[in-house]
Amino acid sequence: AQSVAQPEDQVNVAEGNPLTVKCTYSVSGNPYLFWYVQYPNRGLQFLLKYITGDNLVKGSYGFEAEFNKSQTSFHLKKPSALVSDSALYFCAVRDGSGYSTLTFGKGTMLLVSP
Amino acid sequence: EAGVTQFPSHSVIEKGQTVTLRCDPISGHDNLYWYRRVMGKEIKFLLHFVKESKQDESGMPNNRFLAERTGGTYSTLKVQPAELEDSGVYFCASSQGHRGTEAFFGQGTRLTVV
Repeated sequence: AQSVAQPEDQVNVAEGNPLTVKCTYSVSGNPYLFWYVQYPNRGLQFLLKYITGDNLVKGSYGFEAEFNKSQTSFHLKKPSALVSDSALYFCAVRDGSGYSTLTFGKGTMLLVSP
Repeated sequence: EAGVTQFPSHSVIEKGQTVTLRCDPISGHDNLYWYRRVMGKEIKFLLHFVKESKQDESGMPNNRFLAERTGGTYSTLKVQPAELEDSGVYFCASSQGHRGTEAFFGQGTRLTVV
């Protein structure tokens, strides 16, 4: 069975500082990894994905994530946080080796203070 | 281009009543998914349509839930009769491909069963 762990319910960071939102996964085959963001009263918005290739993936709004196979991690990062980045972030995984549904983590609330 | 649209945005019903949720996917997207998030927990997969066919309904909680996608366009999710534990936010998503393709989500329907 595949699973995703987001160990932090909430991450607090000051505006202008770098941010990291952690994600680890478990999947039997090749991991296809995704990050989504949910702003208040909105649906989930796709940020970025890792399918294959370069371990560092760049996405929307200046976010990036690094795939680390040995640590089974896919942490979301941004060099300089903005107050407008405050939202709920979800990591998700799918087994790319065959048919598989998307499994989400519980979500991490990111709060960026001015 | 219009995104994924869900109706209604909120629904409050009494235990034992019936509720029907609707999802209009992005035009041309063959894949349509239903997910549910119970307060503070993971987003859970419910089912996956490819055009009008159910590819995977392994996440449907029980036979009180019925999903349809007539003609391969919009989809409905009916809960009959509703129970208290059915409360949560129901998300619909659509995509062109499946495995390595990101899905686009609607804003969700918040269902409260009282």
